[in-house]
Amino acid sequence: GEDVEQSLFLSVREGDSSVINCTYTDSSSTYLYWYKQEPGAGLQLLTYIFSNMDMKQDQRLTVLLNKKDKHLSLRIADTQTGDSAIYFCAESTNAGKSTFGDGTTLTVKP
Amino acid sequence: EPEVTQTPSHQVTQMGQEVILRCVPISNHLYFYWYRQILGQKVEFLVSFYNNEISEKSEIFDDQFSVERPDGSNFTLKIRSTKLEDSAMYFCASNGGQGVLSNTEAFFGQGTRLTVV
Repeated sequence: GEDVEQSLFLSVREGDSSVINCTYTDSSSTYLYWYKQEPGAGLQLLTYIFSNMDMKQDQRLTVLLNKKDKHLSLRIADTQTGDSAIYFCAESTNAGKSTFGDGTTLTVKP
Repeated sequence: EPEVTQTPSHQVTQMGQEVILRCVPISNHLYFYWYRQILGQKVEFLVSFYNNEISEKSEIFDDQFSVERPDGSNFTLKIRSTKLEDSAMYFCASNGGQGVLSNTEAFFGQGTRLTVV
């Protein structure tokens, strides 16, 4: 079945760039998403990329997609303490349902 | 911007009671989903719904769960006899598309936190 994997923890200093990586197995993935979740809160869609794109930039966020390697990354430039949260990678196919990774806990140190 | 709305945001129920979680998907969407996130764990797919029937369900979605689209706007998840392990955040999602292909991005609601005591 589909599988999405992420590293569990990332720690960076305020002002540095953060790069969160994700790999997935389903070659028929149509959309790939990054969500942010703060403690006790819901899922905040940060950005998504369609599978025929290889890069998408939105202000401090850059998503890179390597479809051949089934690798997705999220780069956060100038990381702030408010960026501390859990970041989930997810993929969906034309069948519709989304498959999520385990989440990467990003800790930003002042 | 259109959004998926869920009510209530938090529900506390006694073990064995029935609960109904409500969702209003985006109005022109045709595909609806429920997901569950147990505290500290990943988001897990429960069920997808299209054309007034379940199109796919996971092994978590057993006989105590049911879904319904009772009118043109609501999409509900019913848990018949809640257990302690049903305590989780439940997310509703929807997306658009044509025919059998739900080929637009999915939008998630903010979730309902269910606490079973």
